[in-house]
Amino acid sequence: SQQGEEDPQALSIQEGENATMNCSYKTSINNLQWYRQNSGRGLVHLILIRSNEREKHSGRLRVTLDTSKKSSSLLITASRAADTASYFCATVNQAGTALIFGKGTTLSVSS
Amino acid sequence: DVKVTQSSRYLVKRTGEKVFLECVQDMDHENMFWYRQDPGLGLRLIYFSYDVKMKEKGDIPEGYSVSREKKERFSLILESASTNQTSMYLCASSLMGAGVNEQFFGPGTRLTVL
Repeated sequence: SQQGEEDPQALSIQEGENATMNCSYKTSINNLQWYRQNSGRGLVHLILIRSNEREKHSGRLRVTLDTSKKSSSLLITASRAADTASYFCATVNQAGTALIFGKGTTLSVSS
Repeated sequence: DVKVTQSSRYLVKRTGEKVFLECVQDMDHENMFWYRQDPGLGLRLIYFSYDVKMKEKGDIPEGYSVSREKKERFSLILESASTNQTSMYLCASSLMGAGVNEQFFGPGTRLTVL
């Protein structure tokens, strides 16, 4: 019951460049969340954007949400090697009881 | 500092063994979740619990059971481990209202079944 799909699957950039990853989902949502996972570790919550918001910022992160297109994007500006990780979007399942995660975008930032 | 801990980072078990994975959270969260993560498949929800002694099946509950006797502890049980249960297992917790609150994850348990 995959809800969110991230794109691209993998992204390689140089330090200082911006990284953009996208998430598409299928059903209507109340909010969408983004998480980061460093290799072999648990996920860490980055940001939550509500359905009535179009854009949200947190430090070097900028998230947009387009409910008409059922899509969201995560932009990391001025990337650093420490941003190397997998990034997941998550939406609520139809029962409203749990999050469904996409398969993730693997970001590699080289110095 | 909020914390979700899992009993083991790495675990190796034999086919047919009964396996217990323990998860403890110190945030007084109502909801707790067990996921497995496999390459190319992302995170898949196995079971979740929204209260003590309550449990709900997720997307892939077959071959697993859970126990939640205390609010802070959520156990995942593999009754008879099989090689296709080799995976990374992640526990998470959240406040009531799973869809509107962030989930806090443990570091994961990498289980290998031989």
